Amino acid sequence: AQKVTQAQTEISVVEKEDVTLDCVYETRDTTYYLFWYKQPPSGELVFLIRRNSFDEQNEISGRYSWNFQKSTSSFNFTITASQVVDSAVYFCAYNFNKFYFGSGTKLNVKP
Amino acid sequence: EADIYQTPRYLVIGTGKKITLECSQTMGHDKMYWYQQDPGMELHLIHYSYGVNSTEKGDLSSESTVSRIRTEHFPLTLESARPSHTSQYLCASSDLEGRSGANVLTFGAGSRLTVL
Repeated sequence: AQKVTQAQTEISVVEKEDVTLDCVYETRDTTYYLFWYKQPPSGELVFLIRRNSFDEQNEISGRYSWNFQKSTSSFNFTITASQVVDSAVYFCAYNFNKFYFGSGTKLNVKP
Repeated sequence: EADIYQTPRYLVIGTGKKITLECSQTMGHDKMYWYQQDPGMELHLIHYSYGVNSTEKGDLSSESTVSRIRTEHFPLTLESARPSHTSQYLCASSDLEGRSGANVLTFGAGSRLTVL
């Protein structure tokens, strides 16, 4: 069965530090999608990125970057020069027919 | 600008009351979902629908019920609320496979329910 593990329950950093959120998944599917969502204190989950299993290119969007490594079944998310506004809960998710969410990592960025 | 709307955002009610959480989306998405989020942050799928008159139970057993009479509307109802129903309820929608943006979940802001 598919499973998504976010081993880091909570991370605290000081503003301007880089931080990496880990995501490891288990699957026997060859075709699937991986996602990251951000949940700020306001409550809604905001879509950040989707990758399909055939595209292992790393992606950078501003201060955000994602490292997809199929060999280790990982899809890690790095925030460079973190800011207080990055404080949120971040969810990694796997999708093939159904969605499987990780348990979330709460990121606290202190000024 | 939200494309999926949930009301109420916050609700505090007494035990035994009937409540309906509303969810509407303006994107024409066929798939809609209800997730329950516990204080430990984990998301649990409790209901989903792939179109009008189609509803299915999710992975987590729930005493709530849903209906899908119109594409844009997916309300969740609790006939008799109990303190164990206290939680955050998140509604989401997604487009069909094959369409641009398919399987990207768009979430509402959530309804935080407290049952006393």
